[in-house]
Amino acid sequence: NAGVMQNPRHLVRRRGQEARLRCSPMKGHSHVYWYRQLPEEGLKFMVYLQKENIIDESGMPKERFSAEFPKEGPSILRIQQVVRGDSAAYFCASSPLRSGGQETQYFGPGTRLLVL
Amino acid sequence: DQQVKQNSPSLSVQEGRISILNCDYTNSMFDYFLWYKKYPAEGPTFLISISSIKDKNEDGRFTVFLNKSAKHLSLHIVPSQPGDSAVYFCAAPDSWGKLQFGAGTQVVVTP
Repeated sequence: NAGVMQNPRHLVRRRGQEARLRCSPMKGHSHVYWYRQLPEEGLKFMVYLQKENIIDESGMPKERFSAEFPKEGPSILRIQQVVRGDSAAYFCASSPLRSGGQETQYFGPGTRLLVL
Repeated sequence: DQQVKQNSPSLSVQEGRISILNCDYTNSMFDYFLWYKKYPAEGPTFLISISSIKDKNEDGRFTVFLNKSAKHLSLHIVPSQPGDSAVYFCAAPDSWGKLQFGAGTQVVVTP
C-alpha cells in the first residue's frame, strides 16, 4: 500500500511566479489536509479537503493561495505570485473516512518550496 | 493561539537510557492525541496515539501517558537508540480533524 505521495519534492520559483504542489493520498483515504512548516517553526494547518469539496480553509492565506481535490487526480495546492515569505516545507496528509474524529493522519514527504 | 505546547525544544539522552518528552494542551475538548517523529527533509511519521478514554498506550519501546486533569501527556522511549534522534511532535485534532501541533522537541541520542 503506497503511502502519501507528493511532488515535486523540491521546487524553486522566482518572485511572482506560480507554484503548484501535488498530493496523492493513500489508497482508500478520502480526506486530505495541507500543512505548512516555516523555517524554525512547527507545522501549521492550511486547508482540509474531501473529493470536490473544501471543508475548512481557515488556515490558508486569503490571497494568492488556493487548493482543490478533484474527483479524479491528486489534490493541488496552488500559490500564485509567490513571495520570499512563501518559502517553506508544505506537507500533505491523508486519513480514511472519519468516524468519531479519532483518525490518524499519514503524511507525505513534503514539498520544499524556495522562492528566490 | 497555541493549543498544544512542547516547552522543551531539545533533549539529549544517552543510548540505552529513557527519553521522556512532554506535551501540554489547553483545549479540554481534545479527545485524541498523536506523536509524530520527523527526520530532516522528510515528512512526519506517525508513532503512537492515545484516546482520552485511556491513560496509557504502549507500543514496543514507546509508551504514551495521558493525564487529563493536568492536560498533559508524555512520550517515553526506552531504551533510546541512535535512530531515535529526530524531532518529535505532539498533536491533537480539533473537531474538524485538523491537527494542532506543538513546536517539537529535538531528541539527540548520544553513544
